[in-house]
Amino acid sequence: DAKTTQPTSMDCAEGRAANLPCNHSTISGNEYVYWYRQIHSQGPQYIIHGLKNNETNEMASLIITEDRKSSTLILPHATLRDTAVYYCIVRGGNRDDKIIFGKGTRLHILP
Amino acid sequence: EAGVAQSPRYKIIEKRQSVAFWCNPISGHATLYWYQQILGQGPKLLIQFQNNGVVDDSQLPKDRFSAERLKGVDSTLKIQPAKLEDSAVYLCASSLARIAYEQYFGPGTRLTVT
Repeated sequence: DAKTTQPTSMDCAEGRAANLPCNHSTISGNEYVYWYRQIHSQGPQYIIHGLKNNETNEMASLIITEDRKSSTLILPHATLRDTAVYYCIVRGGNRDDKIIFGKGTRLHILP
Repeated sequence: EAGVAQSPRYKIIEKRQSVAFWCNPISGHATLYWYQQILGQGPKLLIQFQNNGVVDDSQLPKDRFSAERLKGVDSTLKIQPAKLEDSAVYLCASSLARIAYEQYFGPGTRLTVT
């Protein structure tokens, strides 16, 4: 089972920052937080991952709370192409640890 | 760089028929995954290969599903016989290694069983 809790859906105005929350209160010390997204009729796409520190790449920023029990994915300037289902995933650091998808958050970017 | 290729993109069959899906991963990727995604849910891992060996098939319904990865490159997933509840999108993904943080997904095959 997925170890994360996400809102079912969210709306965000185009051009604004989209902030997607995720709760992972049972995360353990060696587990990473991953984010993937799935645009309609496509396969999931990796966005970003982190362990403790905040992370940023060309797609998004990941903010992890100090106690690591929750995180927020930030899309700084949302566009219509960011409309997708966003999955927050907790995964261990060993090679046998799997990526387990939950139902994710359906993000609608509004024009 | 070419992505993960899958075929066919769509397939409609009747229950009790057989069907096969094909996947060509990104060149050089040692790890290959097959996922099943039922409408409204996240993808569920069916089987994972490391080169041509099976690493995890704990969620593969082995009475009707089979998969192989000959020569550690292409892979096929077969369902025989199909049931109505097998209607789903079947996604193939690959990664450089088992612990690689990024899995690359293909576009999927949408299967409808009538």
